[in-house]
Amino acid sequence: EAQVTQNPRYLITVTGKKLTVTCSQNMNHEYMSWYRQDPGLGLRQIYYSMNVEVTDKGDVPEGYKVSRKEKRNFPLILESPSPNQTSLYFCASRFLAGQAYEQYFGPGTRLTVT
Amino acid sequence: GIQVEQSPPDLILQEGANSTLRCNFSDSVNNLQWFHQNPWGQLINLFYIPSGTKQNGRLSATTVATERYSLLYISSSQTTDSGVYFCAVERNYGQNFVFGPGTRLSVLP
Repeated sequence: EAQVTQNPRYLITVTGKKLTVTCSQNMNHEYMSWYRQDPGLGLRQIYYSMNVEVTDKGDVPEGYKVSRKEKRNFPLILESPSPNQTSLYFCASRFLAGQAYEQYFGPGTRLTVT
Repeated sequence: GIQVEQSPPDLILQEGANSTLRCNFSDSVNNLQWFHQNPWGQLINLFYIPSGTKQNGRLSATTVATERYSLLYISSSQTTDSGVYFCAVERNYGQNFVFGPGTRLSVLP
């Protein structure tokens, strides 16, 4: 089954404790991205990647890091989480060229930073 | 950057009614999608529709790229249609994907 998976689905952590949210897709998509969703602000793109070792900033990259060492994985790293990073996070993927460009979203990770 | 507007922001319907949701965007785009976020937070792909018209059951969508808008039609609405409907656009392939603010739909039994 074609899917985007994220782990963990729920996470409560404390300020300053490094964490990683994993994202994996099994559709051989080149393009992957991360979004955060906040009430009143909608969905905003954090980072995206057009292929292995190629990443770029979205609208709200501050406080986040990403890496793309393999095509299927695109982890989101919070080196020193702060309460303003409490949010619902989505990972997504799609083909970059030669295919339909539908984005497929993971189930979301609800993060609370206290 | 590109701006995306959606209307109406909120919509309440009786079960069985029809509705039209609108998405306006400020510049030409190569990618436009409609999503439904259900009450559990899942984002579900509805349509990939940078231009033209598509139908899937009770839902259909039309994008008029030259006039920079897209419409999502929901016919014979059901309570399971409740949630938030987003359109999202991409100016050029591989660039930043921008979401509209969404239309919150409530379908009452």
